[in-house]
Amino acid sequence: EAGVTQSPTHLIKTRGQQVTLRCSPISGHTSVYWYQQALGLGLQFLLWYDEGEERNRGNFPPRFSGRQFPNYSSELNVNALELEDSALYLCASSFRTSEKLFFGSGTQLSVL
Amino acid sequence: GENVEQHPSTLSVQEGDSAVIKCTYSDSASNYFPWYKQELGKRPQLIIDIRSNVGEKKDQRIAVTLNKTAKHFSLHITETQPEDSAVYFCAASKRGGSNYKLTFGKGTLLTVNP
Repeated sequence: EAGVTQSPTHLIKTRGQQVTLRCSPISGHTSVYWYQQALGLGLQFLLWYDEGEERNRGNFPPRFSGRQFPNYSSELNVNALELEDSALYLCASSFRTSEKLFFGSGTQLSVL
Repeated sequence: GENVEQHPSTLSVQEGDSAVIKCTYSDSASNYFPWYKQELGKRPQLIIDIRSNVGEKKDQRIAVTLNKTAKHFSLHITETQPEDSAVYFCAASKRGGSNYKLTFGKGTLLTVNP
């Protein structure tokens, strides 16, 4: 069974640009979570989607947004990139009623 | 919201020794406490979890203990091996309602020296 897949694996952008990251959950999982992993800061919660709806978001500015599609895949969009947005962006999925998260390998975003 | 503190940030042990990582949480309503292991360049993987109705759980060389009164939980690894070297994250959450999220500690870099 395929795990959580994310694309692209690496991305280099310049300040002010916009980026879209993609995530496909494990088959059967309806919930998708996005986390930002910056150096030394652990995993910071960004967004939770379930059944196509945004259920919760972390303490990030509105330029971080996303959506979930009918097939439960998800996109994370970041507008007006800033240098401090450089980080590993991890997507995780779970069954709707489960707390167990399964992570993808992440997208490493570098903002120059 | 929930706040999870994790200590130490780095831990170095000799192969065969035990390793202990400790976490505290702030929200007394939290009821689920997983531990994730992230090897260099790889995805975080769930290695063990515990719910608030249980005080201790063991799986081979790893165990987790929970003290609800003190709001802290710990990961214990016995007979450490070089392949245990990784960053370990604790986390806490409470299920129910529409605001579920898993809050992570900042991680512990464990190095097991052969």
